[in-house]
Amino acid sequence: NAGVTQTPKFQVLKTGQSMTLQCAQDMNHNSMYWYRQDPGMGLRLIYYSASEGTTDKGEVPNGYNVSRLNKREFSLRLESAAPSQTSVYFCASSDLLNIQYFGAGTRLSVL
Amino acid sequence: EDQVTQSPEALRLQEGESSSLNCSYTVSGLRGLFWYRQDPGKGPEFLFTLYSAGEEKEKERLKATLTKKESFLHITAPKPEDSATYLCAVPRSRNSGYSTLTFGKGTMLLVSP
Repeated sequence: NAGVTQTPKFQVLKTGQSMTLQCAQDMNHNSMYWYRQDPGMGLRLIYYSASEGTTDKGEVPNGYNVSRLNKREFSLRLESAAPSQTSVYFCASSDLLNIQYFGAGTRLSVL
Repeated sequence: EDQVTQSPEALRLQEGESSSLNCSYTVSGLRGLFWYRQDPGKGPEFLFTLYSAGEEKEKERLKATLTKKESFLHITAPKPEDSATYLCAVPRSRNSGYSTLTFGKGTMLLVSP
């Protein structure tokens, strides 16, 4: 049972490049989330998807887009990467008790 | 605005030296307080949920308690393997009617042998 799987684990981009972070869960959860974690800032919510077919902004959505491809998959896209988007990105899904289960993270550097 | 504040930011203990971590929150109508553990280079891992003042939950050397304004994570006779960052979180209602979690910045615990 894999839980929440994120790819890639590491990525280096140049300013202006685009990329998509992939996330898949195998727990049949309705809700999924994307966070970024920066030193001294804690976990901040970028976007969430309460259920298949819906997405909503979190606290820091600027510069990002998301797609809830199906119930299992929720992707995060950076259209034109900026150095300020250097961070560790976590995907999570939650059960009916609102307990969130996290992936191992993607470490992104934008040069 | 709902806020979650954790203290201290960092805590260094000797093995066997018990202590407590604090999570204070300002939220109307608390619908649960969540504790997570995060090891370096990994995603947060769920520990406990507390729903009402006076509630306590235990797991090995950890005990979480809840009052109307704060939660404590008590660590009894810690071992080096308890070293991690501990995060607390509270639900936040969204305009969509859904609720997400607002996380504190965490307490980094280091237990030395």
